[in-house]
Amino acid sequence: DAGVIQSPRHEVTEMGQEVTLRCKPISGHNSLFWYRQTMMRGLELLIYFNNNVPIDDSGMPEDRFSAKMPNASFSTLKIQPSEPRDSAVYFCASSPGLSNQPQHFGDGTRLSIL
Amino acid sequence: AQSVTQPDIHITVSEGASLELRCNYSYGATPYLFWYVQSPGQGLQLLLKYFSGDTLVQGIKGFEAEFKRSQSSFNLRKPSVHWSDAAEYFCAVGAFDGNEKLTFGTGTRLTIIP
Repeated sequence: DAGVIQSPRHEVTEMGQEVTLRCKPISGHNSLFWYRQTMMRGLELLIYFNNNVPIDDSGMPEDRFSAKMPNASFSTLKIQPSEPRDSAVYFCASSPGLSNQPQHFGDGTRLSIL
Repeated sequence: AQSVTQPDIHITVSEGASLELRCNYSYGATPYLFWYVQSPGQGLQLLLKYFSGDTLVQGIKGFEAEFKRSQSSFNLRKPSVHWSDAAEYFCAVGAFDGNEKLTFGTGTRLTIIP
């Protein structure tokens, strides 16, 4: 079975540029989560969707960050403009959509903003 | 709101020795509890989960965890570690309130020495 697929795996770009991270959840999963992992702050939930609708975006750091889920099989996390402090590993996870079901993680996108 | 504490940042054990990783949670009711493992450059993989019922749960790779309500703990154990168990381990707690957000601990890095 295909797991959660993220692209790109690595992204290096200069500050001020727009960055788009992509995620394909596991087929049939109704919930999708975006996390950010850094040494200083650990694993932080940025936003999560259920049935393509954003449910909780309280973790989105600021207006430079936006996330969309246009359909059940695709989501994007966009940073515009990017800043060096956005450098982190960004994970996407999906789950069947019930609170007692575990989340399944992708392998992440390592983002470096120069 | 729920919270998770993993008091050990780094643990070193000899191959073949037993292992116990500590996890303490704070939540007003019975929580959902998870242990995940993260190998370098990869996403988080679910080891085991607790929802209700038997307080001793078995997971993959020979791991088990015991839910102790009186101590608000969910410690992870393995009777004999292998070099391949070297990784970062995360405890996470979720709530029965319909919100799928998980709160993750800061992780415990496990090093195995020959």
